[in-house]
Amino acid sequence: DVKVTQSSRYLVKRTGEKVFLECVQDMDHENMFWYRQDPGLGLRLIYFSYDVKMKEKGDIPEGYSVSREKKERFSLILESASTNQTSMYLCASSDVLSGPNEKLFFGSGTQLSVL
Amino acid sequence: GDSVTQMEGPVTLSEEAFLTINCTYTATGYPSLFWYVQYPGEGLQLLLKATKADDKGSNKGFEATYRKETTSFHLEKGSVQVSDSAVYFCALSDAGNMLTFGGGTRLMVKP
Repeated sequence: DVKVTQSSRYLVKRTGEKVFLECVQDMDHENMFWYRQDPGLGLRLIYFSYDVKMKEKGDIPEGYSVSREKKERFSLILESASTNQTSMYLCASSDVLSGPNEKLFFGSGTQLSVL
Repeated sequence: GDSVTQMEGPVTLSEEAFLTINCTYTATGYPSLFWYVQYPGEGLQLLLKATKADDKGSNKGFEATYRKETTSFHLEKGSVQVSDSAVYFCALSDAGNMLTFGGGTRLMVKP
């Protein structure tokens, strides 16, 4: 089975802190994604990556950056956390052969609270 | 731009009841349509999909038909179980663009 692992299930940080959210997938997928999930708003795409060292902005990239130094790992960085970044963060990956938007495999999420 | 609208939840049903979760979409092209499910404490999983008009996607007793004339992709199941309790997301992918998700609908099934 495809496994997408997010390093933390729950995280509490203070305003202004630099926050790293880590995601690792074990299926050699080319595509990786970071979403945030907020009640009533569904999932919104923050950043995605089609290859190592490659990144593209999604719909809501402001306040975030990403890093993809290795194919299996995709990190989301909050340079200076703010309270409006309190949310559930979901990492996903997909195989380029099935199409980047066809079947996404998701991690179980990191619930981030910024105080 | 593309958008997906789902009925607001929560939807509360008794076991063995009939389920319908409405989903309508707006897209400029001819999108592929998806239903994802998120069980408690887990990530989203693809439940079913349809890639062209009149296609029916089905999986685990769930069905959805791609209706181009009404721009809809409603999710149905004839007899729900407690284990179907989850959040259901409708989504579309238009012309190779990224997935656009609806707001999600929470389903609660009582024994």
